[in-house]
Amino acid sequence: GAGVSQSPRYKVAKRGQDVALRCDPISGHVSLFWYQQALGQGPEFLTYFQNEAQLDKSGLPSDRFFAERPEGSVSTLKIQRTQQEDSAVYLCASSLKSPGLAGGRSYNEQFFGPGTRLTVL
Amino acid sequence: GQNIDQPTEMTATEGAIVQINCTYQTSGFNGLFWYQQHAGEAPTFLSYNVLDGLEEKGRFSSFLSRSKGYSYLLLKELQMKDSASYLCAVRDAYSGAGSYQLTFGKGTKLSVIP
Repeated sequence: GAGVSQSPRYKVAKRGQDVALRCDPISGHVSLFWYQQALGQGPEFLTYFQNEAQLDKSGLPSDRFFAERPEGSVSTLKIQRTQQEDSAVYLCASSLKSPGLAGGRSYNEQFFGPGTRLTVL
Repeated sequence: GQNIDQPTEMTATEGAIVQINCTYQTSGFNGLFWYQQHAGEAPTFLSYNVLDGLEEKGRFSSFLSRSKGYSYLLLKELQMKDSASYLCAVRDAYSGAGSYQLTFGKGTKLSVIP
């Protein structure tokens, strides 16, 4: 399909392990976002890319979290030395244009992937 | 920053109408979104409001009052498949490429009963 895909869909890690979560955005989408969604909560912003540039990482909870999008398409969210509080669903979203190109009033919908459910034991 | 409030749970009967409210307090505003999220699935876009008033799209309508910091999502002719969480999200005012994130409420879990 042509939607946002994420892998793996489920990941179980032992506390202290490193994990890498992958996002394949819709082809041609400029903007890519990562969100963390705890059980029963809404998604919380982690970081934002415009093409390969990481323009906002204000939502990353600690320096154990790292994201990259080296060629402006696929993105990887890496979590080092996982902790139990990292257990959540990690959602990736992409949108066609950046805010500047879309114009401030464009709704510029974000399309979400199915998420990766991370469980840290 | 943003603070977004919506009811945690609601129950409604198949065929009825339900209104899900959302209030927000924000330092900036550039649009309000409603998303639907079925359990274990990705959020899917329902509606967008940036100007005051009502936007209608089939069985779903969304209303915005910027002066009151208030929005609602109206679902008509409820169907069992409408049982899901409904997420209200506010987008910061655009002031540069870094401030484009959506801030979500905790979601309203809607249960549609026969």
